[in-house]
Amino acid sequence: AQSVTQPDIHITVSEGASLELRCNYSYGATPYLFWYVQSPGQGLQLLLKYFSGDTLVQGIKGFEAEFKRSQSSFNLRKPSVHWSDAAEYFCAVGLAGGYQKVTFGTGTKLQVIP
Amino acid sequence: GAVVSQHPSRVICKSGTSVKIECRSLDFQATTMFWYRQFPKQSLMLMATSNEGSKATYEQGVEKDKFLINHASLTLSTLTVTSAHPEDSSFYICSASGGGRGQPQHFGDGTRLSIL
Repeated sequence: AQSVTQPDIHITVSEGASLELRCNYSYGATPYLFWYVQSPGQGLQLLLKYFSGDTLVQGIKGFEAEFKRSQSSFNLRKPSVHWSDAAEYFCAVGLAGGYQKVTFGTGTKLQVIP
Repeated sequence: GAVVSQHPSRVICKSGTSVKIECRSLDFQATTMFWYRQFPKQSLMLMATSNEGSKATYEQGVEKDKFLINHASLTLSTLTVTSAHPEDSSFYICSASGGGRGQPQHFGDGTRLSIL
């Protein structure tokens, strides 16, 4: 069964600083990979997804993620963080067999300080 | 982008009441819908997966008689928490997928259920 690890439970960055959120997955084949963001008391919004092809994926709100097969990683990055980026971020891995069920990581809470 | 509407956003009710939560895909046909439960400061726990016109598939440990799921159309799924008790209080989130390989799930805004 697939699994997802987000090693950082909580990260604090200064506004304007760069950001990298880590995600490692375990799966026997090339998975489908997603990053979602959740603001307090709300549902999840899709930031970006990776299926195949170019390993550097661009998403919404200036986010990008890079799929590294050798490291089983799919880290999320943003060059300059805004205060509105403070939220919980979830990495997710999906099965490659056409079924849409995914497994979520435990999440990383991002705090942005002035 | 794909929009999923979840209603109600918040419910407060007495113990023993049954509560129905609706999940609608507004601008696409959702062949598969998912229901999650999220505890404070935790990740999402998948409760069940439903495909339009068929019975839901429940995850291990989720009581199917407690959490009734109906997916009667390609745009609507409902979760009914029957005879709710305080331990059922939680944040419930639905998501919908349009089918096809690797299609992402699109999430509703969640329902905060509080059982007194």
